[in-house]
Amino acid sequence: EPEVTQTPSHQVTQMGQEVILRCVPISNHLYFYWYRQILGQKVEFLVSFYNNEISEKSEIFDDQFSVERPDGSNFTLKIRSTKLEDSAMYFCASSPGQGLVYNQPQHFGDGTRLSIL
Amino acid sequence: SQQGEEDPQALSIQEGENATMNCSYKTSINNLQWYRQNSGRGLVHLILIRSNEREKHSGRLRVTLDTSKKSSSLLITASRAADTASYFCATSQIDFGNEKLTFGTGTRLTIIP
Repeated sequence: EPEVTQTPSHQVTQMGQEVILRCVPISNHLYFYWYRQILGQKVEFLVSFYNNEISEKSEIFDDQFSVERPDGSNFTLKIRSTKLEDSAMYFCASSPGQGLVYNQPQHFGDGTRLSIL
Repeated sequence: SQQGEEDPQALSIQEGENATMNCSYKTSINNLQWYRQNSGRGLVHLILIRSNEREKHSGRLRVTLDTSKKSSSLLITASRAADTASYFCATSQIDFGNEKLTFGTGTRLTIIP
């Protein structure tokens, strides 16, 4: 069964450094998402992406964050200058998008655990 | 309460028993989805129920949705040790554009062999 894959599984970065988290969504999916989960807390929506542009973003997704689909398969989340509070598990998800976008499950990757020192 | 709150927060049952988890939400929704998360792993989609549906089954899973009460329940029948995980409900709000999921706080389910 097709999967969403994320790399790396664990990233340790010094505060202030840039980090790029990578995702390969399911190949025929059209909608892409990033979520994060701070340890012990809820999964929170960050951003959704369709047709090579951001369609919605949360308050968390400030100017330090950016997303990109550099080629036909990868979907990346960049944090320009990491802060301690960026430490979390980051999940990528994708959904098919054929027909109505609503009422389609989102498929999640296993996540990247980001640790900021 | 916040959008998507599950109860109980933790549940321990004997293998073979049924497990019921509840979710409440506040706003109108397109659909409600249940996900499972094993420790340190990603979210596995279990079942999606649309706002115009009242009950849905998938294998040992049964989900109900009561939009008048803004609540849903997930029933796992004949539980197995492998069902030990955290379970989250996630709601999709009525809006234009992409589907943004709002997750609940989760129920930590432990199946005792």
